[in-house]
This record gives sequence, structure tokens and C-alpha cells, in this order.
Amino acid sequence: AAGVIQSPRHLIKEKRETATLKCYPIPRHDTVYWYQQGPGQDPQFLISFYEKMQSDKGSIPDRFSAQQFSDYHSELNMSSLELGDSALYFCASSLGLPETQYFGPGTRLLVL
Amino acid sequence: SQQGEEDPQALSIQEGENATMNCSYKTSINNLQWYRQNSGRGLVHLILIRSNEREKHSGRLRVTLDTSKKSSSLLITASRAADTASYFCATVNTGGFKTIFGAGTRLFVKA
Repeated sequence: AAGVIQSPRHLIKEKRETATLKCYPIPRHDTVYWYQQGPGQDPQFLISFYEKMQSDKGSIPDRFSAQQFSDYHSELNMSSLELGDSALYFCASSLGLPETQYFGPGTRLLVL
Repeated sequence: SQQGEEDPQALSIQEGENATMNCSYKTSINNLQWYRQNSGRGLVHLILIRSNEREKHSGRLRVTLDTSKKSSSLLITASRAADTASYFCATVNTGGFKTIFGAGTRLFVKA
């Protein structure tokens, strides 16, 4: 069965650079969630989209923005990167209202 | 953690024993979900229990939910070495999509 796809899987950036993470949900899933997970920490909810509209917002820095496109894929744009942004970034998708979320393998971002 | 506490933070047991993990949350919820994560990997959904349910089973997993105490427990019976992982509970606030994870329990099952 198709799973959530994230790209890239690994990313190395310098401070103050920008990064774009992509997420392709499971086919027919219309809801996408983004999470940030630091080493040894629980996943922190950043933002979610339902039917291409922002549905909820968590602890997402103003330097980050995200959107969901017409084909339901989503992109997380991160600007003015800081060392503290180094983390695993997960995308998850679900069908409709918040039900079972299926997670992608994550993008490991390292900011130097 | 944004949510509350999970206890224990770490648990080490022998293969064949049962493992119980607890989770507390703070807000009114739509449902509570348990996830498993192997080190540095993606989270795998284990089981979802709705706010109007009290207990749910799936294979060797048993989840309880007490909304009056805002707590849940996950029981893994007859544990196996392959169950070694971190286990997280996650809640979705009523009427929303915001998903809050607990701090997680690291389970180590010794063969």
C-alpha cells in the first residue's frame, strides 16, 4: 500500500539559509500534518491542512510557512534557519477529520 | 511536553512479561491515539480510542481511557524483543486538528 512520502530524507543547511520540505500524502487523504521532533523529544505539532486550507496551527515559528496544493501535497518552507531548527520533521496524512494519522519517514534537517 | 506526562519514562522488562504505559492529558479530546517509534524512524499508529469509549483491544494491545481523570493506559501483553521502541500517546483537541503528543515511554524488552 502507498505510504506518505517525504523529500528530501536528509538535508544539511547553513544558518540563515532557507529549506523546503515536501510531503506527498497517501492517495485520497485530504489532511496533512507537520511535526518537528528534536532529539529525545516528543513530536511537536506545527500546522495542519484540510482540503487545502489551514485547519490548525501549533508552535510553528513565524519564519516557517506551509501550504497544501491542489494535488494535496504539502510543502513546509523554512527561512532564516537557526541551529535550533535541526530536528526530524515529520509529515502525516489522514482522511477527513482527525482520525488515524499515517506518518512519513521524516526529513532529518541539520543546520550548521 | 505540550500535553502532560507519560509514565514511566523508561521501562525495561523481560520477554514474555507485560508492559503498561500511562498517559495523562489536559484538554477536552476527540480521540486518543497510541503510536510506536523506533529510534529515528517514523511513527507507526497502533490504536485509536474515541472519547466515548473506555477500552479497546487490538492483538496484544489493550488501551483504556478514563476521560474523568484525563488519562489512558496502553498494555502490551506477552512482550517480545521486537516491541523495543518508544511509545507515545497523542490527543486531538475537540473540534480541531491540533495533535498533542505525550513525552513518550521508552520500552526495552530483553530477550
